[in-house]
Amino acid sequence: DAEITQSPRHKITETGRQVTLACHQTWNHNNMFWYRQDLGHGLRLIHYSYGVQDTNKGEVSDGYSVSRSNTEDLPLTLESAASSQTSVYFCASSEGLSGAGTDTQYFGPGTRLTVL
Amino acid sequence: ELKVEQNPLFLSMQEGKNYTIYCNYSTTSDRLYWYRQDPGKSLESLFVLLSNGAVKQEGRLMASLDTKARLSTLHITAAVHDLSATYFCAVDPDPFQGAQKLVFGQGTRLTINP
Repeated sequence: DAEITQSPRHKITETGRQVTLACHQTWNHNNMFWYRQDLGHGLRLIHYSYGVQDTNKGEVSDGYSVSRSNTEDLPLTLESAASSQTSVYFCASSEGLSGAGTDTQYFGPGTRLTVL
Repeated sequence: ELKVEQNPLFLSMQEGKNYTIYCNYSTTSDRLYWYRQDPGKSLESLFVLLSNGAVKQEGRLMASLDTKARLSTLHITAAVHDLSATYFCAVDPDPFQGAQKLVFGQGTRLTINP
């Protein structure tokens, strides 16, 4: 079955370290998204991609970067981790029918990141 | 800037009762999504509402969209314990571009007691 996976599921790191969270989907979806979830804020969009070599900034992109070198993967990098980036991170993907914008986003299981 | 507000944020109810969760948003859109999240789990898609007056139903859940009022409702009929979860609405602020840059509400934590 097609799926979307994230790794690691839990990560503890120190302030100032670079951290990369992996996201892999086997649906062959064009669109991929990264969100962070914090109490009281729901989910907020960090970065998104509509296809290979395409990346865009979302609402809370400062301190994060992504790259899309193939259809299946959209890794999220924290260049220099800060305590404010302690959160649960979700990756999502959608089919991305041209101009439709109506398809469902499917979410991965999440990565719980703690920055000490 | 699009703002999405849900109310109530916390809801405790008894099995067998009916209740409604409200999702208000601040700018024009006709693309609204409802998701469910169980504790410690991922988000599961419930409904996609694509036009004014859209109504979708699945089991004891029914969602509707009023784009003129910028309001969506998620109605729970004869609640059962299995529906205990956090429910999120999300709005696409630019549906004509098909961008899917969703803006989420804060979530409504629903607890259904026997």
